Amino acid sequence: AQSVTQPDIHITVSEGASLELRCNYSYGATPYLFWYVQSPGQGLQLLLKYFSGDTLVQGIKGFEAEFKRSQSSFNLRKPSVHWSDAAEYFCAVGGSPSNDYKLSFGAGTTVTVRA
Amino acid sequence: KAGVTQTPRYLIKTRGQQVTLSCSPISGHRSVSWYQQTPGQGLQFLFEYFSETQRNKGNFPGRFSGRQFSNSRSEMNVSTLELGDSALYLCASSSGLAPNEQFFGPGTRLTVL
Repeated sequence: AQSVTQPDIHITVSEGASLELRCNYSYGATPYLFWYVQSPGQGLQLLLKYFSGDTLVQGIKGFEAEFKRSQSSFNLRKPSVHWSDAAEYFCAVGGSPSNDYKLSFGAGTTVTVRA
Repeated sequence: KAGVTQTPRYLIKTRGQQVTLSCSPISGHRSVSWYQQTPGQGLQFLFEYFSETQRNKGNFPGRFSGRQFSNSRSEMNVSTLELGDSALYLCASSSGLAPNEQFFGPGTRLTVL
């Protein structure tokens, strides 16, 4: 069965500092991986995705993520955080025929940005 | 391309009532998934409809049901509302095929009094 673990429930970071959010997945084959961001009371917006190929993927809003098969991880990074990056972030895995195309989401990491 | 739309955006109901939420997916998408999001339980999968058929189902009671129409629009119904049904209900639109990248709507905020 597929699953996602986001070990950090809450992260506080200073504006301008770097950010890294952890995501570990459990999946039997090569996974499809996603990161989403959610502002309060809003829907989820896709930040980036990994399907195959280059293990370092670039997304919107200056985010990037690195797929590491050996560590079953897909960590999200941003070199310099802006106050508008305060939100909740979700990692997801799945979407393949072997699991009926279903996506499994992590519990989310809330990011607070301090001035 | 227009995004995913959900109506209504906000809803207030009382216990025992029923409610219907609507989701219009992105044009060309054949799959609609529904999620319930609460502060305590996080994001929980309700069900997915693909080409008018329920393809996946989460662990929710039978009070939660859905359907999908031939134009891919989907509705979700909750009968006999309970206080614990208060949540943000999100729908996600996708092609329904691998990698099944999902695009979310803004959600419907349901409050049960």
